[in-house]
Amino acid sequence: QKEVEQNSGPLSVPEGAIASLNCTYSDRGSQSFFWYRQYSGKSPELIMFIYSNGDKEDGRFTAQLNKASQYVSLLIRDSQPSDSATYLCAVPYSGAGSYQLTFGKGTKLSVIP
Amino acid sequence: EAGVAQSPRYKIIEKRQSVAFWCNPISGHATLYWYQQILGQGPKLLIQFQNNGVVDDSQLPKDRFSAERLKGVDSTLKIQPAKLEDSAVYLCASSFRNPGGNYEQYFGPGTRLTVT
Repeated sequence: QKEVEQNSGPLSVPEGAIASLNCTYSDRGSQSFFWYRQYSGKSPELIMFIYSNGDKEDGRFTAQLNKASQYVSLLIRDSQPSDSATYLCAVPYSGAGSYQLTFGKGTKLSVIP
Repeated sequence: EAGVAQSPRYKIIEKRQSVAFWCNPISGHATLYWYQQILGQGPKLLIQFQNNGVVDDSQLPKDRFSAERLKGVDSTLKIQPAKLEDSAVYLCASSFRNPGGNYEQYFGPGTRLTVT
């Protein structure tokens, strides 16, 4: 089973700042990585996925992957109060015909107006 | 496109009672998952179905939990008898394979279970 580690936070940033969320994983064979956003009382929502080393940008969100360091991060530029949520990092596991996600515990982000 | 549907949204039961949750995945998604999410934790996989067959139920507490996906579409998850530690949100997700060859999972709204 893969291990996925995240700093549980809370991480507080002022409105307009860059929020940086980090995730490390144990399996060097991992090929793809997912970021989910979960508002309080709601279910996880897929916001980004990344497969290749380097950066992937989508609007104010940038996912960064460094496979050599087994590290994936999510940057949120121009943070807004509406970004306040828990961000879950997920790593797929494939084997014996199954494809599953292992989730970290999540990092709680608070954007202060 | 309609998302993953789940019902009920909330359920309160006493310990030792039974409860059932229902899930309808996104149309065309062959793979369906049930997760348990305890407050402050990430979702933990309970069972995975591919069409109407079980792919992995290694983390399902089979002495009290059961799940089925008859006809390869809707699924039900049952707990009997419930324990206090079963209080959690039960999430259903379904997935499809994107053009890059990776599976994207989408979650339903969840069922919040409180066992008293």
